[in-house]
Amino acid sequence: DGGITQSPKYLFRKEGQNVTLSCEQNLNHDAMYWYRQDPGQGLRLIYYSQIVNDFQKGDIAEGYSVSREKKESFPLTVTSAQKNPTAFYLCASSKAGASYEQYFGPGTRLTVT
Amino acid sequence: AQKITQTQPGMFVQEKEAVTLDCTYDTSDQSYGLFWYKQPSSGEMIFLIYQGSYDEQNATEGRYSLNFQKARKSANLVISASQLGDSAMYFCAMRSKNTGFQKLVFGTGTRLLVSP
Repeated sequence: DGGITQSPKYLFRKEGQNVTLSCEQNLNHDAMYWYRQDPGQGLRLIYYSQIVNDFQKGDIAEGYSVSREKKESFPLTVTSAQKNPTAFYLCASSKAGASYEQYFGPGTRLTVT
Repeated sequence: AQKITQTQPGMFVQEKEAVTLDCTYDTSDQSYGLFWYKQPSSGEMIFLIYQGSYDEQNATEGRYSLNFQKARKSANLVISASQLGDSAMYFCAMRSKNTGFQKLVFGTGTRLLVSP
C-alpha cells in the first residue's frame, strides 16, 4: 500500500541531544514537508523540499535541519539549538501543483526533558 | 500575509444532524486553494475536500461540502448526517500563488464532538 511512514511514533530525548525523525514515502511525490504541531494549535511549516537535493526553510526553521538525498526520504534533525523541541511532528508529501492535497504520515511525538 | 481564521474552538452536534465549521481566510492573491483536513485523536491528518479560487461550483465529497463565498473570503465545511466517527479536530488550510503554492497555512482548528 502507498503511503507515508514516520518512525518512531514516540521519541524521548535528553536536553542537549540532537535527534533525527524519519519520514519515508512511496507515493512517488516530488514535494515533501515537515510540520510542527503544539497543543491546541494548527500546523506550522518547518522545512519543505520540492525536489531531490533542494529544500527551503518554512516559518519556523531555526534549530532544525533536513536533507533530501532520495526522492522517498526527508529526515528531520532537531538540534540542541531548538529551544522548545517537545512537540508533535508531522511529515507530508504531495505532487507538484497548487491543487494537489498533501498526504500526511502518522506523526512522531517528541518529548525532550 | 496569508492567514486562516477558525473562530469556533469547539462544536457539538447530534448524530445524523448536519454541522457547519467556519473558516475565513485572508490573502491578496487571486489564485489560491483551500483545503479541509480532519485530525482524529490518533494524530494523522486526513484530507477531506479542496476548493480552488477559480472554481465556480462548491466542492463536494460524499458527506462533506464546502460553502465557498469568495467575496466574503469564507470557506465553511458542511458535514451532513454526522456520525460518531466524525468526532475529531478539523483544520482549514490555504495555499496561494504568492507563496509559490508550496506553503500550506493552517488555522487553529475546531474540535467537533458528535453525540449519540
